[in-house]
Amino acid sequence: AQSVTQLGSHVSVSEGALVLLRCNYSSSVPPYLFWYVQYPNQGLQLLLKYTTGATLVKGINGFEAEFKKSETSFHLTKPSAHMSDAAEYFCAVSEDMGRRALTFGSGTRLQVQP
Amino acid sequence: NAGVTQTPKFQVLKTGQSMTLQCAQDMNHEYMSWYRQDPGMGLRLIHYSVGAGITDQGEVPNGYNVSRSTTEDFPLRLLSAAPSQTSVYFCASTPAPGAPYEQYFGPGTRLTVT
Repeated sequence: AQSVTQLGSHVSVSEGALVLLRCNYSSSVPPYLFWYVQYPNQGLQLLLKYTTGATLVKGINGFEAEFKKSETSFHLTKPSAHMSDAAEYFCAVSEDMGRRALTFGSGTRLQVQP
Repeated sequence: NAGVTQTPKFQVLKTGQSMTLQCAQDMNHEYMSWYRQDPGMGLRLIHYSVGAGITDQGEVPNGYNVSRSTTEDFPLRLLSAAPSQTSVYFCASTPAPGAPYEQYFGPGTRLTVT
């Protein structure tokens, strides 16, 4: 069975500071990994995904994540936080075969202080 | 393409009432899923389908039924609504294995059971 752990349900950073949101996963097969962002009262927007190939993945809005198999991690980073980054972020894992559905982490709410 | 559409956007039910949440996609995707989102718990898989006529349970199926008579539609039925089913419901669709992995989410249905 696959699972996702997001460390820290709330993260607060200052505008211009580094954003680091942590995600660890478990999967019995090579995983597909995703980060989604959800703004208040809105749906899910895909930030980036790792399926195969390059382990450093760049996404929208200046975010990137690195797949580290040895650490079973897929942490999300952004060099400089902007006020508009305040939202909830979800890490998710899936297998390519089988049901192809996502298993989500519990989410991390990012606050950006002026 | 409209993508994944969900109706209604909002719904209030009384305990014991039944209703159907509608989901449709126009991308000819084989795989479809229903998730519920609750605070602090991320999104959890309710039911999924890997093709017309084929459905299976996810992690939290109790109190919900699904059917898949066409590729396009995947309705979720609440048989006898309970306050514990107050949640935001998301439908998603995905191409079958062999195609690039993309997960497309609908805008969500916010359900309140009183």
